[in-house]
Amino acid sequence: QKEVEQDPGPLSVPEGAIVSLNCTYSNSAFQYFMWYRQYSRKGPELLMYTYSSGNKEDGRFTAQVDKSSKYISLFIRDSQPSDSATYLCATGRPYGNNRLAFGKGNQVVVIP
Amino acid sequence: EAQVTQNPRYLITVTGKKLTVTCSQNMNHEYMSWYRQDPGLGLRQIYYSMNVEVTDKGDVPEGYKVSRKEKRNFPLILESPSPNQTSLYFCASTSGNEKLFFGSGTQLSVL
Repeated sequence: QKEVEQDPGPLSVPEGAIVSLNCTYSNSAFQYFMWYRQYSRKGPELLMYTYSSGNKEDGRFTAQVDKSSKYISLFIRDSQPSDSATYLCATGRPYGNNRLAFGKGNQVVVIP
Repeated sequence: EAQVTQNPRYLITVTGKKLTVTCSQNMNHEYMSWYRQDPGLGLRQIYYSMNVEVTDKGDVPEGYKVSRKEKRNFPLILESPSPNQTSLYFCASTSGNEKLFFGSGTQLSVL
């Protein structure tokens, strides 16, 4: 079983729509949950980070973690064309032996 | 500006010809790592380094070498590249908090 499962299908939405992205993970010991955003021809950049179950908001972005079901979500409200990118979920610690496990990523296209 | 710099951005080579991809960070980070990104497989860690002269294998280390002689630099060495090492490579660093800084990537093609 993969450590992190993310259905890599592309997603096209009209500007202003809500984008909903999801991942599941297998290791209940994972404690750090992240979403990275990757623009075309660029490296991933950290978008959201959370340590616990529940919601974390940052502007139009909400990260949600449900440890009981091992489910990670990212919601983008009022989506903008500038949100068009690939979104990668990740869990674990980014350093040391407990390394980050990444999902395969979702390509999101926001259509003006 | 805080950044991780990789060179070159694009590289085309032939099987068996040794190459080095350089990585440098200006944030005084102790931890650095290399990833490869392949369609359908996502990001996979190749090697990581906790500090100078301390390196360890990641998930897919076969065919790669690294060295960490200075804190800021972490080159990736392919001594005998093969076509299955054609990929997009990223260097990353962190100070030990949760934010991993990535470079802009190196697209490698091995013919």
